[in-house]
Amino acid sequence: DSGVTQTPKHLITATGQRVTLRCSPRSGDLSVYWYQQSLDQGLQFLIQYYNGEERAKGNILERFSAQQFPDLHSELNLSSLELGDSALYFCASSVDRGTEAFFGQGTRLTVV
Amino acid sequence: GEDVEQSLFLSVREGDSSVINCTYTDSSSTYLYWYKQEPGAGLQLLTYIFSNMDMKQDQRLTVLLNKKDKHLSLRIADTQTGDSAIYFCAERTPYKLIFGTGTRLQVFP
Repeated sequence: DSGVTQTPKHLITATGQRVTLRCSPRSGDLSVYWYQQSLDQGLQFLIQYYNGEERAKGNILERFSAQQFPDLHSELNLSSLELGDSALYFCASSVDRGTEAFFGQGTRLTVV
Repeated sequence: GEDVEQSLFLSVREGDSSVINCTYTDSSSTYLYWYKQEPGAGLQLLTYIFSNMDMKQDQRLTVLLNKKDKHLSLRIADTQTGDSAIYFCAERTPYKLIFGTGTRLQVFP
């Protein structure tokens, strides 16, 4: 158990819908990262937050947004969902630029 | 660019050593990591190496780093069937980890 909790584990939804994925980082970790893992794109960095502030953006679509709350949990919002958004979405946390980033078990999103 | 490259597949016999290779691009990376992903599971941090080190050993795992060639390898001694998984190397840049494509390790009896 990495200490990073993601909910839900699985999500099935229809095209055009909006979903929210949740992540609770390890106790004491201030940084949260979101990654998307799909078969054809591998592990793609989406966005990073540190202590509530956005630090870096990767290949995140405009339809996607995220935030980190004062209690340090983070949410990734995906809207106007398309079939191609089906993927595993991972959250990771670390002590800012610390040595280790620990990953949650992921949320498997299926868009039908 | 930000490409971290790995070979896609490796097949080894149980009890043999496995060597998984990775090349990275950012010479300023401070840490390099190896993660393991089993089917249907998340990424498990296996080990890491600081960029000023050449080698790190952790039980059955040995990490070798050639900074000049930007080449990283993971050696698994006495490979077991439970080691079958996808192995990702990753380099740390200031704000994110950049992952390789992953190497699928298959261990056969």
